[in-house]
Amino acid sequence: DQQVKQNSPSLSVQEGRISILNCDYTNSMFDYFLWYKKYPAEGPTFLISISSIKDKNEDGRFTVFLNKSAKHLSLHIVPSQPGDSAVYFCAASAIASNYQLIWGAGTKLIIKP
Amino acid sequence: EAGVAQSPRYKIIEKRQSVAFWCNPISGHATLYWYQQILGQGPKLLIQFQNNGVVDDSQLPKDRFSAERLKGVDSTLKIQPAKLEDSAVYLCASSFSTGRDGYTFGSGTRLTVV
Repeated sequence: DQQVKQNSPSLSVQEGRISILNCDYTNSMFDYFLWYKKYPAEGPTFLISISSIKDKNEDGRFTVFLNKSAKHLSLHIVPSQPGDSAVYFCAASAIASNYQLIWGAGTKLIIKP
Repeated sequence: EAGVAQSPRYKIIEKRQSVAFWCNPISGHATLYWYQQILGQGPKLLIQFQNNGVVDDSQLPKDRFSAERLKGVDSTLKIQPAKLEDSAVYLCASSFSTGRDGYTFGSGTRLTVV
């Protein structure tokens, strides 16, 4: 039972354009959502998060949008840069589960020059 | 601040052998996590410590996996005996308290069981 789904295994975007990574979830009890970025041979690094009481959070080139009615969130990267090429993981947590993270399978983002 | 340290970075063993991984979390981080990440999947929590007590080990295969956190700081994860399906990256992470704002991960140990 996958509670957090990232349906696109990979995404290719031209440098300078917008990258949009998507994530769907099934558990309405989740109250915190996070995006992590992972380079090869490194651990995931925290990128940006959003509380379930908000619908948007922005940090520089990164914006996360949350649509609770659709149980969907997305990460926008504008403009995309070569260093953004990595695997992006969506994760969700609930206070009822001590904020343990439930992870998606990841989307590999490739930024083309 | 220094990050989460893990060793070794890589390990190749034969099936039925034993292996141990070590993790040193960020100083002051009360919560420590061990994750298993199989290629193409998201990380799967194996065990969560709060200081030196276990919070959750429901997904730890206890017939072959064991973990301890010494004095609420360093931690070791052991597999004995290893199976082919244990081939994965083992990630250690730590957080200050609840982890609501995310965890800090180490670089992981890539285990190959042949």
